[in-house]
Amino acid sequence: GAVVSQHPSWVICKSGTSVKIECRSLDFQATTMFWYRQFPKQSLMLMATSNEGSKATYEQGVEKDKFLINHASLTLSTLTVTSAHPEDSSFYICSAGRTGVNYEQYFGPGTRLTVT
Amino acid sequence: GENVEQHPSTLSVQEGDSAVIKCTYSDSASNYFPWYKQELGKRPQLIIDIRSNVGEKKDQRIAVTLNKTAKHFSLHITETQPEDSAVYFCAATMLYSSASKIIFGSGTRLSIRP
Repeated sequence: GAVVSQHPSWVICKSGTSVKIECRSLDFQATTMFWYRQFPKQSLMLMATSNEGSKATYEQGVEKDKFLINHASLTLSTLTVTSAHPEDSSFYICSAGRTGVNYEQYFGPGTRLTVT
Repeated sequence: GENVEQHPSTLSVQEGDSAVIKCTYSDSASNYFPWYKQELGKRPQLIIDIRSNVGEKKDQRIAVTLNKTAKHFSLHITETQPEDSAVYFCAATMLYSSASKIIFGSGTRLSIRP
């Protein structure tokens, strides 16, 4: 149990276009999901906290108008990178906190975004 | 907010020897400290965790120690094997619900020499 999926697993897009990444909790409900970005050979940096039915909370330095987060249901959060640029190329990972159960977060497999 | 520092950034040990990775945290309110192993291009995997009311926890070849007073915690891997080669991240969070943010350390690239 406690499986989190992401789609797509990798995507290549042209500079200036937008890309949507989906994060799903497959067998549990997640009131809260988290979005991380990981550049090569670096740590996971928290971008935002996604709350079902309300606005996301962004970390300092993360542009909320560029990284749009929607958490429309207890099993789905989406991250849209708008007007993508090559510097947005990164590994994006989501995690989901299991509603009402302990504290472990379950990570998705990640999405590799390459902007050309 | 919480800040987690991790050392060393790279570590190379002979197969069969022990490896130790150390972390410090800044927020005394943090009370849960997970450790993750990440292989290239894959998601982080929780390998062991410790709560602030415990000083040490062991799971086979892996152990974690916590010094709350000094705000230090460490990962110990004994009898290292080639499959232990990966990047390891420590993390800290303040637990009150599944909405708690996890703050990661900078990572340690562990290489096991045959």
